[in-house]
Amino acid sequence: GQQLNQSPQSMFIQEGEDVSMNCTSSSIFNTWLWYKQDPGEGPVLLIALYKAGELTSNGRLTAQFGITRKDSFLNISASIPSDVGIYFCAGHPNTGNQFYFGTGTSLTVIP
Amino acid sequence: EAQVTQNPRYLITVTGKKLTVTCSQNMNHEYMSWYRQDPGLGLRQIYYSMNVEVTDKGDVPEGYKVSRKEKRNFPLILESPSPNQTSLYFCASSRPGTRWGNEQFFGPGTRLTVL
Repeated sequence: GQQLNQSPQSMFIQEGEDVSMNCTSSSIFNTWLWYKQDPGEGPVLLIALYKAGELTSNGRLTAQFGITRKDSFLNISASIPSDVGIYFCAGHPNTGNQFYFGTGTSLTVIP
Repeated sequence: EAQVTQNPRYLITVTGKKLTVTCSQNMNHEYMSWYRQDPGLGLRQIYYSMNVEVTDKGDVPEGYKVSRKEKRNFPLILESPSPNQTSLYFCASSRPGTRWGNEQFFGPGTRLTVL
């Protein structure tokens, strides 16, 4: 199946620092989505991207749909303790109806 | 409240004993899907359904069955569970075909242990 490589696998940062993570695929995607999962809960959608080059913000979060359509990036500015969780990229290729998820980035924010 | 519900939330069973995990959504979504989540592997799609009576295999369908007789329900069936199906399972739904249609909403998860 499709592989989504997400990095880094984990991050430990000080409160107030900015965070960057990215996701790459082996084929072209039509949609890139970024989810956050808190312990014991299902993933919650943060940002959805639909066009190559698109840059979208949601509060302190900014995500971009890569120009090649094979990658996406998520930035979190001025991190706070409630940003702790696992962040997943997900995408929908331009063929078929399946969805693919990255392996996740575990974020720890140290107060 | 718009939501995806799953039952049960926790289940411990034994090898070979058939089980069903239910999933229901109240958003009139056409697309529904099942995922399993395992450490280090992220979420992997098991089966999905584009609409009533239309189902298709995801990445890891072996050992699972689904049915879509009504739009709101999409049960996951394990006919003969094995220990390697011990995992955290999520149901999700979305309305495809529109700009917002790829955005899946997830249920709270079902933690399954097969002994």
